[in-house]
Amino acid sequence: EIVLTQSPAILSLSPGERATLSCRASQSVSSYLVWYQQKPGQAPRLLIYDASNRATGIPARFSGSGSGTDFTLTISSLEPEDFAVYYCQQCSSWPITFGQGTRVEIK
Amino acid sequence: EVQLLESGGGLVQPGGSLRLSCVASGFTFSGYALSWVRQAPGKGLEWVSVISGSGGTTYYADSVKGRFTISRDNSKNTLYLEMNRLRVEDTAVYYCAKDLTQWELPHTTAFDIWGQGTMVTVSS
Repeated sequence: EIVLTQSPAILSLSPGERATLSCRASQSVSSYLVWYQQKPGQAPRLLIYDASNRATGIPARFSGSGSGTDFTLTISSLEPEDFAVYYCQQCSSWPITFGQGTRVEIK
Repeated sequence: EVQLLESGGGLVQPGGSLRLSCVASGFTFSGYALSWVRQAPGKGLEWVSVISGSGGTTYYADSVKGRFTISRDNSKNTLYLEMNRLRVEDTAVYYCAKDLTQWELPHTTAFDIWGQGTMVTVSS
């Protein structure tokens, strides 16, 4: 099973600041890495798939990069609605696994 | 509008059984693999099971293998999760989720559509 480790666990930033979230895989997942956003009481929302492709309707301030074992989700300028928990997921092999999440909170 | 709507959650005693349903609308149901993903209270996401569009291929997480059964009825646009020998640690919100692309298993891309979730509580 591929283990995904996200860092940091909590990111405290102000609106307008840049957010950089990391996801590291225990073995190569090629580019089969996905990012989701989840707000309290809601289902996850797909942001990025195949490491760098934005899903339909996702604003351009969200971008993904990386391949192999190291990946990054960048939010270029935080909007109030971006404060949430972010999960990475690998789709390289079954079982599909998720990282433990990074909470982006208002500083 | 593409939608998934789960039902069937509730309170059950350890060792009991429950059947979850997920009704889909707005897309060609048989063309997509569907998964169940769960989230224990205050915890992260855990993939549970997946079924191919035809229903002929299924995979399970080790934590539920032998206890849970995923199935689908393409004539009713409905996905199911039969859960037996439930444990306290199965307590979670259960989401059904649709694959982004129509690739055949084992390939999968991402989950682009999620239901609102149904709560399963296993407690005596």
